[in-house]
Amino acid sequence: QKEVEQDPGPLSVPEGAIVSLNCTYSNSAFQYFMWYRQYSRKGPELLMYTYSSGNKEDGRFTAQVDKSSKYISLFIRDSQPSDSATYLCAMSRIQGAQKLVFGQGTRLTINP
Amino acid sequence: GAGVSQSPRYKVAKRGQDVALRCDPISGHVSLFWYQQALGQGPEFLTYFQNEAQLDKSGLPSDRFFAERPEGSVSTLKIQRTQQEDSAVYLCASSPLRGSGNQPQHFGDGTRLSIL
Repeated sequence: QKEVEQDPGPLSVPEGAIVSLNCTYSNSAFQYFMWYRQYSRKGPELLMYTYSSGNKEDGRFTAQVDKSSKYISLFIRDSQPSDSATYLCAMSRIQGAQKLVFGQGTRLTINP
Repeated sequence: GAGVSQSPRYKVAKRGQDVALRCDPISGHVSLFWYQQALGQGPEFLTYFQNEAQLDKSGLPSDRFFAERPEGSVSTLKIQRTQQEDSAVYLCASSPLRGSGNQPQHFGDGTRLSIL
């Protein structure tokens, strides 16, 4: 079993819809949680970065972390065709520079 | 530019050849990471440098993989006697590591390696 599980999709929604992306994890030592967006043939781009449990909002994006359930989510409001990409959750264990453990990525398409 | 730069962007090699992949991190970033991303998968950790010191190489899949960062800036990932299973995108990331607390990693666009 992988440390981080993420449904690979694909997920297809109409423009303007609210998108919900999720990951579960098994290692309770994870403290830092990230969402990256990756366009085709490009590197991952950091979207959201949170520490421990709670919510964080940035524009149309909201990240939620529930450490008691080992479950993290990313919500995208008013989705746009330009949001079409692969979304990767990632997490790391402790302070300092530590390796990231990624989910498989969810491929999202926003239809105009 | 100010981002992480990787070269070449694409590399095709015959099975058994050696390849070298280069990463230029963001200026001043202390930490540098290499990841391998197979098609349809998330990146997987290979190795980590803090300045010139390789502090973690637990993700390197075999002794054919070797990484270095001799002056604490540019890094090279070398793969010897390449195999078809080495075909993947190799991503480099850097982070500033200022004081305590985790710092987010910033990625380059990767080198897409194809082994024929």
